[in-house]
Amino acid sequence: DAKTTQPTSMDCAEGRAANLPCNHSTISGNEYVYWYRQIHSQGPQYIIHGLKNNETNEMASLIITEDRKSSTLILPHATLRDTAVYYCIVRSTDSWGKLQFGAGTQVVVTP
Amino acid sequence: NAGVMQNPRHLVRRRGQEARLRCSPMKGHSHVYWYRQLPEEGLKFMVYLQKENIIDESGMPKERFSAEFPKEGPSILRIQQVVRGDSAAYFCASSFGQGTNSPLHFGNGTRLTVT
Repeated sequence: DAKTTQPTSMDCAEGRAANLPCNHSTISGNEYVYWYRQIHSQGPQYIIHGLKNNETNEMASLIITEDRKSSTLILPHATLRDTAVYYCIVRSTDSWGKLQFGAGTQVVVTP
Repeated sequence: NAGVMQNPRHLVRRRGQEARLRCSPMKGHSHVYWYRQLPEEGLKFMVYLQKENIIDESGMPKERFSAEFPKEGPSILRIQQVVRGDSAAYFCASSFGQGTNSPLHFGNGTRLTVT
């Protein structure tokens, strides 16, 4: 699986958009970009995934660059409950459900 | 629409005892995965099962650990003769399909403490 690089931490003001970057420069054409988050003492929560088109759901938007070497997760209106570790994962077709969780980005939403 | 259910939420075992962790996947999901998160470490894949079959157990320790997903009932992760190093959070996930376009959905885990 392609490796991902994320900032260690970032702060965001409540009510503002949170833009979380992820680099995956070695991504292959058939690999999906997935985002999960883990709130303290809970299980990872699925947020969104995409292949090459931008995606949006009720939780977030995913913007993937045209060359697919990086992506941005956007939380449009951050709340205190969005404080969590956010993981960007590249998932290949032969990985089954073997997701490679890195260190992620610790996001702290402040009032 | 219930999510992935794991029980117990917390489990305390003495060294040498057995631990049994249970996981009921989301309705309609036939693919189950187990992950482990050691203290201050990231999540690590352990095993992938479909009904009655182990598909990939490359992340499972060679000894004392086993997993099953019977035709009826929950998936079970079994740890025999537990040691202090087994203390961790164990997460189960399920998916509808096995393809990369089928997200995994996780439960809230079982926190195993070995005393």
